[in-house]
Amino acid sequence: GAVVSQHPSWVICKSGTSVKIECRSLDFQATTMFWYRQFPKQSLMLMATSNEGSKATYEQGVEKDKFLINHASLTLSTLTVTSAHPEDSSFYICSATSGRGYNEQFFGPGTRLTVL
Amino acid sequence: GQSLEQPSEVTAVEGAIVQINCTYQTSGFYGLSWYQQHDGGAPTFLSYNALDGLEETGRFSSFLSRSDSYGYLLLQELQMKDSASYFCAPNYGGATNKLIFGTGTLLAVQP
Repeated sequence: GAVVSQHPSWVICKSGTSVKIECRSLDFQATTMFWYRQFPKQSLMLMATSNEGSKATYEQGVEKDKFLINHASLTLSTLTVTSAHPEDSSFYICSATSGRGYNEQFFGPGTRLTVL
Repeated sequence: GQSLEQPSEVTAVEGAIVQINCTYQTSGFYGLSWYQQHDGGAPTFLSYNALDGLEETGRFSSFLSRSDSYGYLLLQELQMKDSASYFCAPNYGGATNKLIFGTGTLLAVQP
């Protein structure tokens, strides 16, 4: 149990275009979902926290107009990178918690974004 | 602000025991989590300390001392498959339950 999927697993796009990444909890209802980005050989940086039906809470320094997060249901959150540029190229990972017990976060497999 | 420091790299041999330290300057967290990440993969949960002291989960153990702002992950009977990055992450619980990841330690297990 506790499986989180992401789609797509990788994407290449042209500079200036927008890219949407989906994060789904497959076998549990996720009260909270998180979005991280990770550059090569670096740690995971939390971008934002989203709860179903409410606006996402962004970490300091993350542009909310550039990284649009929608948490429309208890099993789906989306991250849209708007007007992507080469510096947005990164590994984007989502995670989800069920709100039970310790609140362990279950991570998706990640999406590798390359902006040309 | 908050900071979490880990050694950047650790090398050990198969069968050995290795300790990965995590020192932090942060407060208000509920507990300290440890995650493993293989290259290009998703982080996976290893251990969690809600209270000070040692938590044992199979070959992995984790320790927390809030008074010393310090924790560590202990890996025993190292196997080649343990080669990965390891992150400590305070869990801030509550309404957000967010994790802030440490700098990460790349463990290389040699034959």
